[in-house]
Amino acid sequence: QAVLTQPSSLSASPGASASLTCTLRSGINVDTYRIYWYQQKPGSPPQYLLRYKSDSDKQQGSGVPSRFSGSKDASTNAGILLISGLQSDDEADYYCLIRHSDAWVFGGGTKLTVL
Amino acid sequence: QVQLQESGPGLVKPSETLSLTCIVSGGSLSGYYWGWIRQPPGKGLEWIGNIYYSGAADYNPSLRSRVTISVDTSKNQFSLTLNSVTAADTAVYYCARWAYCGGDCYFLDYWGQGTLVTVSS
Repeated sequence: QAVLTQPSSLSASPGASASLTCTLRSGINVDTYRIYWYQQKPGSPPQYLLRYKSDSDKQQGSGVPSRFSGSKDASTNAGILLISGLQSDDEADYYCLIRHSDAWVFGGGTKLTVL
Repeated sequence: QVQLQESGPGLVKPSETLSLTCIVSGGSLSGYYWGWIRQPPGKGLEWIGNIYYSGAADYNPSLRSRVTISVDTSKNQFSLTLNSVTAADTAVYYCARWAYCGGDCYFLDYWGQGTLVTVSS
């Protein structure tokens, strides 16, 4: 089982909100991890969006709109990237990243379609 | 503005060694961790390894036996070598900088544009 699991795709309408999940493997407690989120558009390197560990340990990337926010759901052991007020420009791949057992681990990525 | 540029062969034969260099401009290597990340065509991101400007490195356990990352502060660049490559190593290879955000917190803030390396005879 992968350390991080992301749904492969998600679709949402312009103006709506999208909740992208990053589920940690059973036995790895999401509460103890800082989760980093990246956005990647075709043909470009990923760009840092934000990090979230708790409400007191979080940071927005430079220039990243407040429409992007992070949170956690302990009941599902998942980190969440919430994008509100979806715009066509938000259509991209989104990756989560954690530091686990002295290694950096990416989730498999979610392709967000805005239609 | 910090810029990173990957360079190296775009085609490597199976069983041979992949070698890439990342040239950093607009800033110094000093004080930072620097990393390599790869992305097979149409697939997700995979962390390869990091190096501190002083030379200390750590690697993805799944690649550790084949990977070496080195740094040359005099040239403001760092390099990746990956031995015994197979078609599974075909990917876009990115170099990137890790910014420090306190305690055990680091994030990738600057990336190169990436370079496609194809493993094929």
